[in-house]
Amino acid sequence: EAGVAQSPRYKIIEKRQSVAFWCNPISGHATLYWYQQILGQGPKLLIQFQNNGVVDDSQLPKDRFSAERLKGVDSTLKIQPAKLEDSAVYLCASSSYGNPGSEAFFGQGTRLTVV
Amino acid sequence: AQSVTQLGSHVSVSEGALVLLRCNYSSSVPPYLFWYVQYPNQGLQLLLKYTSAATLVKGINGFEAEFKKSETSFHLTKPSAHMSDAAEYFCAVNLSNDYKLSFGAGTTVTVRA
Repeated sequence: EAGVAQSPRYKIIEKRQSVAFWCNPISGHATLYWYQQILGQGPKLLIQFQNNGVVDDSQLPKDRFSAERLKGVDSTLKIQPAKLEDSAVYLCASSSYGNPGSEAFFGQGTRLTVV
Repeated sequence: AQSVTQLGSHVSVSEGALVLLRCNYSSSVPPYLFWYVQYPNQGLQLLLKYTSAATLVKGINGFEAEFKKSETSFHLTKPSAHMSDAAEYFCAVNLSNDYKLSFGAGTTVTVRA
């Protein structure tokens, strides 16, 4: 079974530039998460999709971050314009729809450095 | 509201010694609890999970955790540490009426030879 795929693995941009991350979840998984992990901290949920609908985006800085999930499968997370404090690892995860006890499977993440 | 607290941001153990990582949660409804491990430059991998069945849960790589409702705890243990256990460990909670997976701040484990 293929895992969660993310790209790119690394990205360096200047502040005020824009950047996009891509995620392909495990086939058949209805739930997709985007997390932000700042160095030394635990992952913070940015947005959660159920199929192609948003379940929770309460911690997404909507003035600069946006996310979409195309046809309930792939997802992209965009930052525009980027700030220095956006430097972090962005993790994508997916889980099967069923119950909150379902395991979330994580991709390797995209490490963003804003200079 | 739900939250997870991991006590101790760093733990150092000798090879062969007991590993104990502490996790406490707050929840007004029955929780689902998870321990994940993260190796450098990798994503998170599930070690074990509690889903209201047995309170003592066994996971991969010799780890286990015990759910104690009276103490609102879900501590992770391994009887004998191995060098390969050096990593960062995260406790996470999901509620029975919610699908939002929330993580603690993490505990970094170093293993001394």
